[in-house]
Amino acid sequence: DIQMTQSPSSVSASVGDRVTITCRASQGISSWLAWYQQKPGKAPKLLIYAASSLQSGVPSRFSGSGSGTDFTLTISSLQPEDFATYYCQQANSFPRAFGQGTKVEIK
Amino acid sequence: QVQLQESGPGLVKPSQTLSLTCTVSGGSISSGGYYWSWIRQHPGKGLEWIGYIYYSGSTYYNPSLKSRVTISVDTSKNQFSLKLSSVTAADTAVYYCAREGVGSSGYRNWGQGTLVTVSS
Repeated sequence: DIQMTQSPSSVSASVGDRVTITCRASQGISSWLAWYQQKPGKAPKLLIYAASSLQSGVPSRFSGSGSGTDFTLTISSLQPEDFATYYCQQANSFPRAFGQGTKVEIK
Repeated sequence: QVQLQESGPGLVKPSQTLSLTCTVSGGSISSGGYYWSWIRQHPGKGLEWIGYIYYSGSTYYNPSLKSRVTISVDTSKNQFSLKLSSVTAADTAVYYCAREGVGSSGYRNWGQGTLVTVSS
């Protein structure tokens, strides 16, 4: 089974900051990676699919990159509504697996 | 716009079977092309994938839960269901149903989630 490891587990940032979250797969997954945003009490929301494709309706300040085992989610200019927890998820094989999450907090 | 809605008891006794149903609207399970999945989230923790069912009835379960999980589909009602047997307090979680396109990456459609507490 593939394991996903995210870093950092939390990050403190200010509005307007650039934030980068990394995700590493325990084996190569090509570009079969998704990123989600989750706010308290809500279901996760898909942001990025296929490692770098922006889901419809998601602001362009979100971007994803990487392939193989190493991936990155970048928020180019953090907005107040972006404070949330972010998860990566591999879609290369079953069982699907999620990273442990990265909480983006207000500095 | 496809919508998913979980339903079922919010409280289950230890050793009993947890049963949840996901009702799909705005799209047909029997049209194919999607994995209909269950995912859970322990309080304050990350996301754990439980398993999926395809409209044909084929399934795949997380090996960590495989011995206790059954996912079934009722295409006539446009629903799919989760049964988790022999539950303990460790199964207390928010349970989500979700849809993933075959050959795509990512769950675009989620239910709102339902909290199931295991307690006597």
